[in-house]
Amino acid sequence: GAGVSQSPSNKVTEKGKDVELRCDPISGHTALYWYRQSLGQGLEFLIYFQGNSAPDKSGLPSDRFSAERTGGSVSTLTIQRTQQEDSAVYLCASSPPTEDEQFFGPGTRLTVL
Amino acid sequence: SQQGEEDPQALSIQEGENATMNCSYKTSINNLQWYRQNSGRGLVHLILIRSNEREKHSGRLRVTLDTSKKSSSLLITASRAADTASYFCATDAWGWGKLQFGAGTQVVVTP
Repeated sequence: GAGVSQSPSNKVTEKGKDVELRCDPISGHTALYWYRQSLGQGLEFLIYFQGNSAPDKSGLPSDRFSAERTGGSVSTLTIQRTQQEDSAVYLCASSPPTEDEQFFGPGTRLTVL
Repeated sequence: SQQGEEDPQALSIQEGENATMNCSYKTSINNLQWYRQNSGRGLVHLILIRSNEREKHSGRLRVTLDTSKKSSSLLITASRAADTASYFCATDAWGWGKLQFGAGTQVVVTP
């Protein structure tokens, strides 16, 4: 079946602009995660959605970052007023209800000029 | 901040040899997972070991966990060129899936 998909695959933006990154999890997966991978910080947890529960936002680096998950499926990560340090690969993952394994998407490479 | 530290940072071996990499972490865990990443994009889950397990096998992979030392190792036996990738350990403190990743080990397998 289809895996986790993310769009766009690459995004180049200017400093100060807002960007939206999209994640389509595997159908039936109740948990959805966002991570960020950058040269200086490695792989960092950003935010976690589980079913209808309130998301765990503890990894979001600033209030410029937000995410939502509509209908328990698609998720959008929004970065407002982008900064150069936001440049990274943003990875989305999902997992089924009874498994701890996470299935990752191919990521969105964000470059802030 | 990262939970785990991996050792070595890079490893170069020839096909057929075994590759061993280690992961140390700082706080107690529910489970520890190993992932592989090719070309700096999506990660692929390899194996999960729970805190009450000491060793686990999957194909050519063998993972050990020593909770008293807060460390884990991943062994890839009879390596192949296709095993060339970065390998990451990730800890899950509570079993909720909020993973904290190590810095990774870059493995290069030459034919």
